[in-house]
Amino acid sequence: GENVEQHPSTLSVQEGDSAVIKCTYSDSASNYFPWYKQELGKRPQLIIDIRSNVGEKKDQRIAVTLNKTAKHFSLHITETQPEDSAVYFCAARYSGGSNYKLTFGKGTLLTVNP
Amino acid sequence: ETGVTQTPRHLVMGMTNKKSLKCEQHLGHNAMYWYKQSAKKPLELMFVYSLEERVENNSVPSRFSPECPNSSHLFLHLHTLQPEDSALYLCASSHDREVPYGYTFGSGTRLTVV
Repeated sequence: GENVEQHPSTLSVQEGDSAVIKCTYSDSASNYFPWYKQELGKRPQLIIDIRSNVGEKKDQRIAVTLNKTAKHFSLHITETQPEDSAVYFCAARYSGGSNYKLTFGKGTLLTVNP
Repeated sequence: ETGVTQTPRHLVMGMTNKKSLKCEQHLGHNAMYWYKQSAKKPLELMFVYSLEERVENNSVPSRFSPECPNSSHLFLHLHTLQPEDSALYLCASSHDREVPYGYTFGSGTRLTVV
């Protein structure tokens, strides 16, 4: 099956700085990589995703890059704001036999200090 | 609401009780999932249903019993739980084989076993 490693487990930045979270995956057949944001006491919400035929995708202050050769992908948040503080999860989607499913990383607690 | 509704939001139960968690989605998705989220662990996949058929049981103890009567509803039946089963139980749904592949999560049920 797939294995997803996520680093760092915690990240603290000053407001306005950039934040980068990195993930690696093991199954080269994985073809879809979403990122989820989970605020305290709330459900995980999809914030951005990328498919394996694309190297980079950007949505306002958030961007995701994918290196298929190295099997890693990263989340970049620029001009961070206090409301960006949350746990961020990366995931990789692969074909596990008869179905497709997401395997999640362990999460990164991002704290943006005002 | 996100389109995935979970009830109850909070549940306290004794170790000898029997209770059920309910998940409902009206997004037209054909796959549904149960995840367990503990304080110090990543999102742990418990069960996967695709087209109402259970396609994965991720080594979950038999005191957890899932049921998927149709593509819109998913249940998790609980009996003789242990205190270590206390966690946030998240339901999610997705298109199994179509774009987009991402999950939509429910708000979760916060379970406390006493």
